[in-house]
Amino acid sequence: GAGVSQTPSNKVTEKGKYVELRCDPISGHTALYWYRQSLGQGPEFLIYFQGTGAADDSGLPNDRFFAVRPEGSVSTLKIQRTERGDSAVYLCASSVSPASGGQETQYFGPGTRLLVL
Amino acid sequence: AQSVTQLDSQVPVFEEAPVELRCNYSSSVSVYLFWYVQYPNQGLQLLLKYLSGSTLVKGINGFEAEFNKSQTSFHLRKPSVHISDTAEYFCAVIWTGGGNKLTFGTGTQLKVEL
Repeated sequence: GAGVSQTPSNKVTEKGKYVELRCDPISGHTALYWYRQSLGQGPEFLIYFQGTGAADDSGLPNDRFFAVRPEGSVSTLKIQRTERGDSAVYLCASSVSPASGGQETQYFGPGTRLLVL
Repeated sequence: AQSVTQLDSQVPVFEEAPVELRCNYSSSVSVYLFWYVQYPNQGLQLLLKYLSGSTLVKGINGFEAEFNKSQTSFHLRKPSVHISDTAEYFCAVIWTGGGNKLTFGTGTQLKVEL
């Protein structure tokens, strides 16, 4: 079956602009995660959804970052007033259910490479 | 603070040689442990995971890892590597009771040479 998909694959924007990154999880997966991977680093957790609600947004760096998942499937990560430091690969993952407290495998998408000029 | 350490940023190895990629974590609570592989221009793919039970875990592509609680380590091994194993390898941890977020190490670039 289809894996996690993310669009766009690449995004170039100017400092101060607004961007939206989309994630389409594996069908039937109720849990969805966003991570950010800076150059030379491992992915860092941003936010996790269980269904439509954000169960843990402790990784969002500041209030310029916001994510939604209105129908419990597709999610959009929104970044306002982008800064050069926001340049990174934004990864999305999904899992069947988080009910088992982390035991479920998270399946990752290919990522969106964001470059802020 | 809880953390994951991958001391080796790069590991060069010849084809058909054995390899070990090291991972250590700091924790005072139980953990779930994972190894992911990232091939160029591809997403992260799960190699194997330790949840409980036997400390030796076997994964895909001939990889295995051993959980050592006393040394808080989860090293990844393969007895004979192939050119196609060239990739970035990430160790990751979920601390039980701390939610479902993965905490990753900084990664180890495995380069297999002829």
